[in-house]
Amino acid sequence: EVRLLESGGALIQPGGSLRLSCAASGFMFSSHAMSWVRQAPGKGLEWVSGITGNGVTTYYADSVKGRFTSSRDNSKTTLYLQMESLRAEDTAVYYCVCRYSGAWTGPFDFWGQGTLVTVSS
Amino acid sequence: EIVLTQSPDFQSVTPKEKIIITCRASQNIRSNLHWYQQKPGQSPKLLIKSASQSVSGVPSRFSGSGSGTDFTLTINSLEPEDAATYYCHQSSSLRDTFGQGTILEIK
Repeated sequence: EVRLLESGGALIQPGGSLRLSCAASGFMFSSHAMSWVRQAPGKGLEWVSGITGNGVTTYYADSVKGRFTSSRDNSKTTLYLQMESLRAEDTAVYYCVCRYSGAWTGPFDFWGQGTLVTVSS
Repeated sequence: EIVLTQSPDFQSVTPKEKIIITCRASQNIRSNLHWYQQKPGQSPKLLIKSASQSVSGVPSRFSGSGSGTDFTLTINSLEPEDAATYYCHQSSSLRDTFGQGTILEIK
């Protein structure tokens, strides 16, 4: 059974930093591209970042480029999102998602339960 | 950035009815369009992949069609548990995007 468990969400002041983690299990983690998707309170879904299975290539939404960094440790089957210079508009539930099909053009087959990041003074 | 526009934004329907939700892309995305259902307090769940492919465990009343720029999600014979928000998602570009969502209320 595929499981994605996010952690690290917190209340953080504007300008602060935070690192989210996503512990994966139930599949060959290193073979699958992963992404982060966020959802602001009462709003829709926004793709944030994607990373290839080997961790070599990453992609970011314009809204977070230069502030957020995705990485992964395949030996620990864990995905990370390092967030810097946080803004109020980064307040959201952050979901870890897996493209189980393997292809970059595939759907987000599996989702974690999400972790809440609140940016406020 | 590829923009996805869903319609309607909100729909209220009665059980057993049929609903069609549309998703229009700002450029050709071939069949790289997927649909999700999200219920309050839950994570989104994949309903239809690659425009029209069924997903294991999803009831057969959910179906999708389209290619290029115009896509539809059809839900036949609506059940009360289908009350949710539905999102389309494109994976054609290196930067995925989602539609704004369609809220479905079951009267």
